[in-house]
Amino acid sequence: EAGVTQFPSHSVIEKGQTVTLRCDPISGHDNLYWYRRVMGKEIKFLLHFVKESKQDESGMPNNRFLAERTGGTYSTLKVQPAELEDSGVYFCASSHPGAPGANVLTFGAGSRLTVL
Amino acid sequence: SQQGEEDPQALSIQEGENATMNCSYKTSINNLQWYRQNSGRGLVHLILIRSNEREKHSGRLRVTLDTSKKSSSLLITASRAADTASYFCAVGLSTGFQKLVFGTGTRLLVSP
Repeated sequence: EAGVTQFPSHSVIEKGQTVTLRCDPISGHDNLYWYRRVMGKEIKFLLHFVKESKQDESGMPNNRFLAERTGGTYSTLKVQPAELEDSGVYFCASSHPGAPGANVLTFGAGSRLTVL
Repeated sequence: SQQGEEDPQALSIQEGENATMNCSYKTSINNLQWYRQNSGRGLVHLILIRSNEREKHSGRLRVTLDTSKKSSSLLITASRAADTASYFCAVGLSTGFQKLVFGTGTRLLVSP
């Protein structure tokens, strides 16, 4: 089966611009997660979708970040306007809805965001 | 607050040697998982150990969990150059959907 696909792999933008990251989860995986790793720090949870519904967005840094999951398929994460501290690698992960599969996440390769 | 914290931050060994990485966490957990990340790639799930388990094996991997000390260790035996990667522990705080809390990772370098 195809894995979790993220696009773009690397984006370089200037402060104040907008960037949209996309994630295509594994087909049939209702759970979709966004995580972020800022250079040298831990990987932090951003939010979790079950199908098209946001179950937990407690990790979203502020209202400059907007995540959507249209029709419960792919998801986008928009940063508008981007700030320097938003630089990092954004990971998407998905998991099968039924336990125990729900415990194991399959990650994409990540989208590296550089804000200048 | 940061949960999983790996120790050491970096480890350099020769092929054939064993590599041990440790992870500490702060609260009660449902499970603890270890992931590997090769440079430029996504995280790959290695092994999951539940809070009621003490030890688990998968191939050359051995994971232990001590809930009284809130710590876990990952042992890679007979390491290979291909094991070079960053290793992360992540704690799952509940069953079902996984809001995993990751540490900063251990960078392992295995030299031929």
